Formats: sequence, C-alpha cells, structure tokens
Amino acid sequence: EAQVTQNPRYLITVTGKKLTVTCSQNMNHEYMSWYRQDPGLGLRQIYYSMNVEVTDKGDVPEGYKVSRKEKRNFPLILESPSPNQTSLYFCASSFLVGTSGGALYNEQFFGPGTRLTVL
Amino acid sequence: QKEVEQDPGPLSVPEGAIVSLNCTYSNSAFQYFMWYRQYSRKGPELLMYTYSSGNKEDGRFTAQVDKSSKYISLFIRDSQPSDSATYLCAMNSGGSNYKLTFGKGTLLTVNP
Repeated sequence: EAQVTQNPRYLITVTGKKLTVTCSQNMNHEYMSWYRQDPGLGLRQIYYSMNVEVTDKGDVPEGYKVSRKEKRNFPLILESPSPNQTSLYFCASSFLVGTSGGALYNEQFFGPGTRLTVL
Repeated sequence: QKEVEQDPGPLSVPEGAIVSLNCTYSNSAFQYFMWYRQYSRKGPELLMYTYSSGNKEDGRFTAQVDKSSKYISLFIRDSQPSDSATYLCAMNSGGSNYKLTFGKGTLLTVNP
C-alpha cells in the first residue's frame, strides 16, 4: 500500500530534550515536506526537500532541522524543543502528475500526523 | 493581504444540503487549484484539482475556478454526514514548483 508513515503519532516531552520525528514514504517520491498545523493558522511549511541531500527552508523553519540521506526518509529534528513548538505535525511527499492537456500538477500525500506537546 | 484567504467556519448544514466552500487568493501566478479533505485526527487527502479557470465535476463534488476574480469554490451536492471534515484549498504555480500554499481550512459538519 502506497503510504507516508510517521512516528511517533503522539509525543509529550519537556523543554530542551532533543527529539526526532521520523517520516518514511514508499512511493519513490522525490519531493518531501514537513508542515505544522495550528488552530487559526492552518498548515505552514517548515522544511522541504527536492531530493536526497537537497533541503531548504519553508515558511517557519526556526527551531527545526531536517536531513535527507535516503530518498524514502525525511526526519524532523527538534534540537531543543520549546512550548511554542507544541503542534500537530504532518509529513508529506509528492510527485508531479501530468495531465492529458500537458499540464503538471503537484499531488501531495500526507502522513497521519504527529501530535507533539512540549511542556 | 494574505496569499490565500479561506473562511474557517465552522459550517453546519443538514443532510442533503448543497454546500459551498470558497477561497480567494492574491497571487496571479497560481494556476493549479486543489481541494484537500481532512478528517478529524487524519492527514489531508487530495479531493479534487483544477487547472486554470473552469469547472470540474466528480460525483457530488464540483470545483470552480474564476481566475479573473481570483476566487475558487467547491460545491458539495446532496451532502452526507460522511462529508463532515475540514476542507482546505491549496494552490500552486505549477511546472517544477512543488510548493503548495494552503488556506486555513473550513470545518464542515453535516447533520443527519
């Protein structure tokens, strides 16, 4: 089954304790991305990766790190979590879909989410 | 002005109603317009996409894009309780640009 998996699904931690949220996709997608979703703010992109060893900042990268050593995996690292990073996190992967009209569009597949609470 | 504006609702309708969900945007470079559906405690999933202006129909769902007004809509006919979810519009300029810009989402509840 084609899917994006994230672990853990739920995590409660304390300020300053380093953590990693893993993300893996089995669809051979080149593009992967991390989002956080907060009430009233919607989905905001944290980091993205166009391919192995190619990563770049999204709209809210402060306090986060990522790495892309393999095509299928894109972990999100919080070196020193703070309470303002309490959020719902989604990993996504995507590819460009060609249409009969010659257009290309980007379909993103999302993981199930990781609910993070930083105390 | 935010790039994409979407009324967060919440929107509550009776079963069988026609639902209209809307987004406005400011970036004229957007060419691809998508609607994602997100059930509670799940990740968003693609519902429909439209390229440029026009209409697209898929079963009970119709997506409309009016690029001249920078306005997109999703219509749900004969709404069902299973349609209860958050609906997010998303847009992108296409080509090799993967970045999606999302609206904040509208929470829809369809009451039996």
